[in-house]
Amino acid sequence: NAGVTQTPKFQVLKTGQSMTLQCAQDMNHEYMSWYRQDPGMGLRLIHYSVGAGITDQGEVPNGYNVSRSTTEDFPLRLLSAAPSQTSVYFCASSSPRTGVSYNEQFFGPGTRLTVL
Amino acid sequence: AQKITQTQPGMFVQEKEAVTLDCTYDTSDPSYGLFWYKQPSSGEMIFLIYQGSYDQQNATEGRYSLNFQKARKSANLVISASQLGDSAMYFCAMREGYMDSNYQLIWGAGTKLIIKP
Repeated sequence: NAGVTQTPKFQVLKTGQSMTLQCAQDMNHEYMSWYRQDPGMGLRLIHYSVGAGITDQGEVPNGYNVSRSTTEDFPLRLLSAAPSQTSVYFCASSSPRTGVSYNEQFFGPGTRLTVL
Repeated sequence: AQKITQTQPGMFVQEKEAVTLDCTYDTSDPSYGLFWYKQPSSGEMIFLIYQGSYDQQNATEGRYSLNFQKARKSANLVISASQLGDSAMYFCAMREGYMDSNYQLIWGAGTKLIIKP
């Protein structure tokens, strides 16, 4: 199992450019989410999905779009990049497990994005 | 109001000593879960331990244990016999509601732990 994979690892954009951060998981997890991590703050939820075709907004959704056409993939699109979107982005996935009373989230390695 | 508070931005601990990382939470939901994650300097997020609100006993996983004080709304992580590899950021997170109806986590700001040789 590759787990949760994210591409690219690093990206530099200019203000106004658009791009897509890729996230894929091979664990057949129902739930997938995108977080951003900024210095001195915990992770903040951008968007999440509880299954293919279902997405919803998290705490900080403005400036980002998502779609979930398959169970495996959950791309995050930046529509028009702004310096305020400079951050580290994490994708995570989760699903209930038999015999376990919790559903921890499995994280990808992160994408470090800089917007100039 | 902050739902998850980690009051220690940074800590220095001597190798082999035990360390307690504080986490307090705020929720009115009777069903909730508390998670601790470790983030080494390499950046990945590693799940450590979980405590459910209805769990009768404090959770333990190897050298990690959770000092869960429900009335005080605290869920402190205890690392016994600290090692140099324990140096990392540690995050406390909470899920409100039942596991199968809500996967969303609310995160604290983290504590940076440095283990001194």
